[in-house]
Amino acid sequence: EAGVAQSPRYKIIEKRQSVAFWCNPISGHATLYWYQQILGQGPKLLIQFQNNGVVDDSQLPKDRFSAERLKGVDSTLKIQPAKLEDSAVYLCASSTRMGGARGETQYFGPGTRLLVL
Amino acid sequence: AQSVAQPEDQVNVAEGNPLTVKCTYSVSGNPYLFWYVQYPNRGLQFLLKYITGDNLVKGSYGFEAEFNKSQTSFHLKKPSALVSDSALYFCAVRDGAAGNKLTFGGGTRVLVKP
Repeated sequence: EAGVAQSPRYKIIEKRQSVAFWCNPISGHATLYWYQQILGQGPKLLIQFQNNGVVDDSQLPKDRFSAERLKGVDSTLKIQPAKLEDSAVYLCASSTRMGGARGETQYFGPGTRLLVL
Repeated sequence: AQSVAQPEDQVNVAEGNPLTVKCTYSVSGNPYLFWYVQYPNRGLQFLLKYITGDNLVKGSYGFEAEFNKSQTSFHLKKPSALVSDSALYFCAVRDGAAGNKLTFGGGTRVLVKP
């Protein structure tokens, strides 16, 4: 079974530029998550999709971050404009069940390492 | 609100010795607990989880974890550590009474010396 795919793996941009990350979840996984992992910290949930609908985006900085999952499969996360503090690893994860399956395991992609200069 | 604490930033252990990585949690409902491992420049890999039932959970690569409700702990253990176990370990919790958001601890770096 193929894992969660993410691209690019690394990205360096200057502040105030825009950037986009792409995620392809495990086939058949209905739920998709985007996490931000700042160096030395645990991952923090940014947004959760159930198919193509948003379940939780309470921690997404909506003035600069946006995400979509138009066809319920792939997803993109965008930052515009980027700030220095956005330097982090952006992790995508997916799981099979619909919301409410609290014992469900999330499977993570390799992440995109973003450096904002 | 749910939370997770990993009190040790780093754990050093000699190869062949037992390894323990500590985790305590706080939830209002039933806890669902997870351990993940992260190798350099890699994503998180699932090790094991506790949902219900037996308090001792066995997972990948010889790891196990013990759920202790009275101490609100879920420590990760391995009887005999390998150099290849050197990595960053994350404990995570999902509160059964608060949706299915997963909250991670700050991570513990494990260094196994030959």
